[in-house]
Amino acid sequence: GIQVEQSPPDLILQEGANSTLRCNFSDSVNNLQWFHQNPWGQLINLFYIPSGTKQNGRLSATTVATERYSLLYISSSQTTDSGVYFCAVGVSQGAQKLVFGQGTRLTINP
Amino acid sequence: DAMVIQNPRYQVTQFGKPVTLSCSQTLNHNVMYWYQQKSSQAPKLLFHYYDKDFNNEADTPDNFQSRRPNTSFCFLDIRSPGLGDAAMYLCATSRAGHHTDTQYFGPGTRLTVL
Repeated sequence: GIQVEQSPPDLILQEGANSTLRCNFSDSVNNLQWFHQNPWGQLINLFYIPSGTKQNGRLSATTVATERYSLLYISSSQTTDSGVYFCAVGVSQGAQKLVFGQGTRLTINP
Repeated sequence: DAMVIQNPRYQVTQFGKPVTLSCSQTLNHNVMYWYQQKSSQAPKLLFHYYDKDFNNEADTPDNFQSRRPNTSFCFLDIRSPGLGDAAMYLCATSRAGHHTDTQYFGPGTRLTVL
């Protein structure tokens, strides 16, 4: 099956710093989503981005489908950005069976 | 305002005692999914319903069952919970056939097995 690797596994930054999270995947995909898992365990949708670039406030994402990677950028980090960021990919039509990477644990210190 | 609702948020059960987790949605999505997430791990798909059709993952234990009585509700039944089944259980929905097939997750149910 498809493999999803995220890097780095852990990232500790000071408030105000910028960060880049990476997601590599082993095969062509037609679904790629970035999620933020908050301290209570809920997965919050950040981006649906199987290709191209999107921006939402301080967050942006780019997926280069031909090279099988995606990047999540967080600018001017805030303590509320802390948590685990997951990349998940899907390859099927219709019902999307997402395969998750292992996540990047981001800690933003005040 | 809630779109995917899971009840209860926390569930404690005893070893071997059947337990049912509930998920409901107000999105009218035709696909509903159940994921298991163990501590410090990624979510793992257990099964999904595409409309009324049940689709089990090959490595999902028989101990886990699901029911979908209507579009809005889906249940996860664990027939004989073991200590290894302690985890966060996440329900998700999506609108299959739409080009932006985003999955929306509920807040999860954290299961403790004593």
